[in-house]
Parts: sequence; structure tokens; C-alpha cells
Amino acid sequence: EVQLVESGGGLVQPGGSLRLSCAASGFTFSTYSMNWVRQAPGKGLEWVSYISSGSTAISYADSVKGRFTISRDNAKNSLYLQMNSLRDEDTAVYYCARDGGIMITLWGQGTLVTVSS
Amino acid sequence: EIVLTQSPGTLSLSPGERATLSCRASQSVDSSYLAWYQQKAGQAPRLLIYGASSRATGIPDRFSGSGSGTDFTLTISRLEPEDFAVYYCQQYGISPMYTFGQGTKLEIK
Repeated sequence: EVQLVESGGGLVQPGGSLRLSCAASGFTFSTYSMNWVRQAPGKGLEWVSYISSGSTAISYADSVKGRFTISRDNAKNSLYLQMNSLRDEDTAVYYCARDGGIMITLWGQGTLVTVSS
Repeated sequence: EIVLTQSPGTLSLSPGERATLSCRASQSVDSSYLAWYQQKAGQAPRLLIYGASSRATGIPDRFSGSGSGTDFTLTISRLEPEDFAVYYCQQYGISPMYTFGQGTKLEIK
């Protein structure tokens, strides 16, 4: 089955760090670019970060630039998001998402990150 | 940065009716870069339409997309009970790479 499974979410204090993981299966992960997209509670979708298949191209939303780092391990079929200096406004469900070139073709079920003291 | 504005915010219709959802861009968008997603409560989004008018794999033909320039439309010809959800339009760009509209909630009347 083609799927993406996120993990690593949880409760963290403002200023803290968290590392999200995404395990891909059912397709050739190493040939696809990937993204992280988040959704604050009751709100819409916000693109967070992109990484190309070979990690040569990386992009971030302005809201997370300098604080979040995207990476991948093609040997482990895994995508990561290192989140530092977390803020209240980073509270959201974080989705791992497979890139289709100009749209997102596959989404994971998401992992909830709550930033609160 | 291109801003996508969706209307209406909420659309109340009955099963069997026709739904018309609008997505307006703050500047002209290449229609190849316009997509629509459906998100049901508690679920991840699902790709419906890409390239403004092409249906994604497995999407029923009651879903159709149209438009160009700054105005795009998602039409559901005859609503089924499972179609009641939130719908997002999305534009592909450079920075940010993906921009989403704020969503239209399609609810049962």
C-alpha cells in the first residue's frame, strides 16, 4: 500500500525543539521530492518546506526559515523535519506530503505538534 | 506572493444539488499550476483536480474544474453525501512553493 506515516509530534514548551519523522512505503521514495505542510487547529493549510529527491534543492516558508530544517534519508525511506525555537503559532497538525511537481499527490495522516507552556 | 481567496466561506446545499466553488487569485496564475483538494473532517487532504481541469486518479466525473487567469471554479455536478467537506484551491509558485486558499466548507442544508 502506498502510504506516508508521520511520527514525533507532541507537547513542547515555547523555545523548545522537536523532530518529526515520516516513513514512506509502497513507492520508490528516492525518486520523489517531498514536502511538509501544516494546519493549525480549525485553520487552513500552510506549506512549510520542500526537499528534492536528492536533497539538492530545499525551500522553506518565511514563517519557519532559520528555525526548521528539512532532511531525508533515501536508504531508510524517511523524511524529517527538525523544528527549533518553537513558538505558540507553530501549533498545528504537520503533514508529510509527496510532491507531484506542481501539486501534492499524496498526504500522510499527520502528527500534532502543540507548543504551550 | 499570490493570494488565493475562496468563496463562499460556507456553502449549504442538499444532496443531488449542484455546487459551485470559486477561487480568485490576486494576480494571474498559470492554469497548469492550479489544483483543488478535498478534506473531510479528521482526515488528510486529497487531490481532486490539477492543471485547473484534470481530475486526479480515481476522482468521480461529477467533479470538474475550470477557469483561467485569476478566476477558477470547482463544480460538483450532483452532490453525494460523501462530498460534504472542506475544499481548498492551491497554486504552485517559487516562494512560497505552494499557496492555499482559506477553504470553502460545503455543508448539508
